[in-house]
Amino acid sequence: DGGITQSPKYLFRKEGQNVTLSCEQNLNHDAMYWYRQDPGQGLRLIYYSQIVNDFQKGDIAEGYSVSREKKESFPLTVTSAQKNPTAFYLCASKDGGLKGNQPQHFGDGTRLSIL
Amino acid sequence: AQSVSQHNHHVILSEAASLELGCNYSYGGTVNLFWYVQYPGQHLQLLLKYFSGDPLVKGIKGFEAEFIKSKFSFNLRKPSVQWSDTAEYFCAVNGDTGFQKLVFGTGTRLLVSP
Repeated sequence: DGGITQSPKYLFRKEGQNVTLSCEQNLNHDAMYWYRQDPGQGLRLIYYSQIVNDFQKGDIAEGYSVSREKKESFPLTVTSAQKNPTAFYLCASKDGGLKGNQPQHFGDGTRLSIL
Repeated sequence: AQSVSQHNHHVILSEAASLELGCNYSYGGTVNLFWYVQYPGQHLQLLLKYFSGDPLVKGIKGFEAEFIKSKFSFNLRKPSVQWSDTAEYFCAVNGDTGFQKLVFGTGTRLLVSP
């Protein structure tokens, strides 16, 4: 079945440590997204990408970095500069590039906690 | 800038009760509208969407939503809820021209008691 796979499901980070969240999709979608979900705040866009080697900052990119070396992969690194990283992180993809009216498809998410 | 408001943060209903969740958006142009649902322990999934045409759209699991352009609203409805509808519901909007990011509301947690 086609879909989006996020790993790990749970992740713990020590202070000052960088961690990378994996997102892989086999839907052959062009656009991919990273969101952060906090209670009572909905989903906020961190980064997005339309094509390989291209990505743009979203609303809350500070303290995060991404890469898009392959169409199917869009890993997110939470750096030590992110002062409040504890959250639920969701990866999404969409057909038709960034424009258009296709819905986004979401992964199961990664819950990141600070030790 | 686009924004989405979901006024009901928590809703508690008994089974068979009717449901209406409010969603209002702020955007000056043509929009695409979505309702997503997140069941406990599951990923976010699409309930229904509106792009154009009939403003009353029907989605999965008996849900429907009505786009009222004059009120900038896209309320979600279901005539009779079930315990299995317990979930968090998100309204989302994006503009129809150029790249417009998908803007989410803060979500509504629905608890249906058996």
